[in-house]
Amino acid sequence: GENVEQHPSTLSVQEGDSAVIKCTYSDSASNYFPWYKQELGKRPQLIIDIRSNVGEKKDQRIAVTLNKTAKHFSLHITETQPEDSAVYFCAARGLYGNKLVFGAGTILRVKS
Amino acid sequence: DADVTQTPRNRITKTGKRIMLECSQTKGHDRMYWYRQDPGLGLRLIYYSFDVKDINKGEISDGYSVSRQAQAKFSLSLESAIPNQTALYFCATSDLHGTGDPGELFFGEGSRLTVL
Repeated sequence: GENVEQHPSTLSVQEGDSAVIKCTYSDSASNYFPWYKQELGKRPQLIIDIRSNVGEKKDQRIAVTLNKTAKHFSLHITETQPEDSAVYFCAARGLYGNKLVFGAGTILRVKS
Repeated sequence: DADVTQTPRNRITKTGKRIMLECSQTKGHDRMYWYRQDPGLGLRLIYYSFDVKDINKGEISDGYSVSRQAQAKFSLSLESAIPNQTALYFCATSDLHGTGDPGELFFGEGSRLTVL
């Protein structure tokens, strides 16, 4: 089955700097890659997703890139702000699967 | 607002006790899921259901059972709780788009379970 690895497990950046979180997946048939943000004490919420027919997607300060050949995808946050501090989860879903497999999560701390 | 509601939000119990976590949703979604969150392990799928009478095992179903009582209700049971089932449990729903894409997961607020 699908396996998703996520790095780093924790990331501290200064406010205004960029943050990058990377994930690799094992199933070459996976075709959907969402990112979820979980603020402290809250539920995970989708922030951006990308499908396998697209190499990059942007939404304001966040972007996701996908390299199908290398089987990895990344979340990029520019101009980080304190409210970006949270746990971020990547996930992957196979072509015929109905299940999302999540990475272990990255704790992002933005220092002001 | 349409939402996903979990009860109880917090529960402390003892080893060997039977526990039920309940989930109800007003989103009108067909698909419902139970996930478990542990620090450093992410979100792991326990069971999922695509319709009433449809039950599927996830990655870590041992020690758990579920019931889909209605389209809007999906409950998770621990028949005989053990300490390593101490975790934060999330119910989630999703909708099936016309393209066959299950789409975004909408999570409940979580149920924190402690087994002593």
